[in-house]
Amino acid sequence: DAGITQSPRYKITETGRQVTLMCHQTWSHSYMFWYRQDLGHGLRLIYYSAAADITDKGEVPDGYVVSRSKTENFPLTLESATRSQTSVYFCASSEGGARYEQYFGPGTRLTVT
Amino acid sequence: QKEVEQNSGPLSVPEGAIASLNCTYSDRGSQSFFWYRQYSGKSPELIMFIYSNGDKEDGRFTAQLNKASQYVSLLIRDSQPSDSATYLCAVNAGKSTFGDGTTLTVKP
Repeated sequence: DAGITQSPRYKITETGRQVTLMCHQTWSHSYMFWYRQDLGHGLRLIYYSAAADITDKGEVPDGYVVSRSKTENFPLTLESATRSQTSVYFCASSEGGARYEQYFGPGTRLTVT
Repeated sequence: QKEVEQNSGPLSVPEGAIASLNCTYSDRGSQSFFWYRQYSGKSPELIMFIYSNGDKEDGRFTAQLNKASQYVSLLIRDSQPSDSATYLCAVNAGKSTFGDGTTLTVKP
């Protein structure tokens, strides 16, 4: 299906485990983003990518790793999950930079126990 | 001071009224401004974008931008219960910064 998808949609993991959240888009958008959203807060940017093999830190990058070997995929890895990383994670894509809207995936609800 | 601040909610209006949502930003280099709507448990979706000072209208929605005052607002006319959601203001100055959102409830 066309669009932007995320997997898994729900994930429960234990403290200290490595977790990878997947994001896939079919529009060939150059920009992709990872946000986290905590209860009562807006979206906080974790990492973004302007193109394949180009990534940059956002507001809250600590504890996360990203890669982008293909334009359509932008996985987010929590190297050693902590309870403070319990959140809803949204992936988004955009045709361009600042003047373009972002299209969001359905989100992944991650719980770290 | 947060980079993007939205008026604290929740905001409750009766059906048919005008809902006014406000957002201020700190970076004078900001280039573009977006309003997203997020229903509970769902992902954000774009409602409006505005780049230039003044008003931009789209159906029942009007976005207003005043760069001198670093202020952007969203007006929803003839509010409907289906407009009940959280509204996120996003400001782009190279990369996006989102406000914490304002939750709107439209009561029948």
